[in-house]
Amino acid sequence: NAGVTQTPKFQVLKTGQSMTLQCAQDMNHNSMYWYRQDPGMGLRLIYYSASEGTTDKGEVPNGYNVSRLNKREFSLRLESAAPSQTSVYFCASEGLSNEKLFFGSGTQLSVL
Amino acid sequence: GQQLNQSPQSMFIQEGEDVSMNCTSSSIFNTWLWYKQEPGEGPVLLIALYKAGELTSNGRLTAQFGITRKDSFLNISASIPSDVGIYFCAGSYYGGSQGNLIFGKGTKLSVKP
Repeated sequence: NAGVTQTPKFQVLKTGQSMTLQCAQDMNHNSMYWYRQDPGMGLRLIYYSASEGTTDKGEVPNGYNVSRLNKREFSLRLESAAPSQTSVYFCASEGLSNEKLFFGSGTQLSVL
Repeated sequence: GQQLNQSPQSMFIQEGEDVSMNCTSSSIFNTWLWYKQEPGEGPVLLIALYKAGELTSNGRLTAQFGITRKDSFLNISASIPSDVGIYFCAGSYYGGSQGNLIFGKGTKLSVKP
């Protein structure tokens, strides 16, 4: 009963470095999402994927790219990390378009 | 863009007390959701509401979809230490596309034993 699994749990990057955050779900859900959580800002949507093969921008997409590799996996890539991207990143999935999101446990990213 | 106003920002209560928090929006929403987040974890869905006026309970938690469709309330009765966490409301509004689930900024709840 893994649900939504995110890796890594923690990451420290230097400005300009790149990395990919991995997310996988085992609930056969169609839709997957990437959010970032900052103090006092709540959760803000970066990108989402309504189904395998499609991706769309959310509220704060700049500086990020995503790949919906297959139905299970949805990755988030930072090509050139900036200190403003220091945040906690959450992946989520949704099964029946009923807006009930299931979240992973998050990736805490620090960019120095 | 659309925003949710969630209040209060934080609460410090004694074990056994009841808790109330709410969210309001400037637009009509067609779905309200309430999540709880514990330290180091992702948000977990508590209650989902889909109809104006709907009142739904989950154990000691009760949430209501406001009749105006612009607000929602969450009540916790007889609080216990494990209720500690951040509670988020979330909603989607009429005319919004998929991915337009808006989150409030959270209410941080602390319970003193």
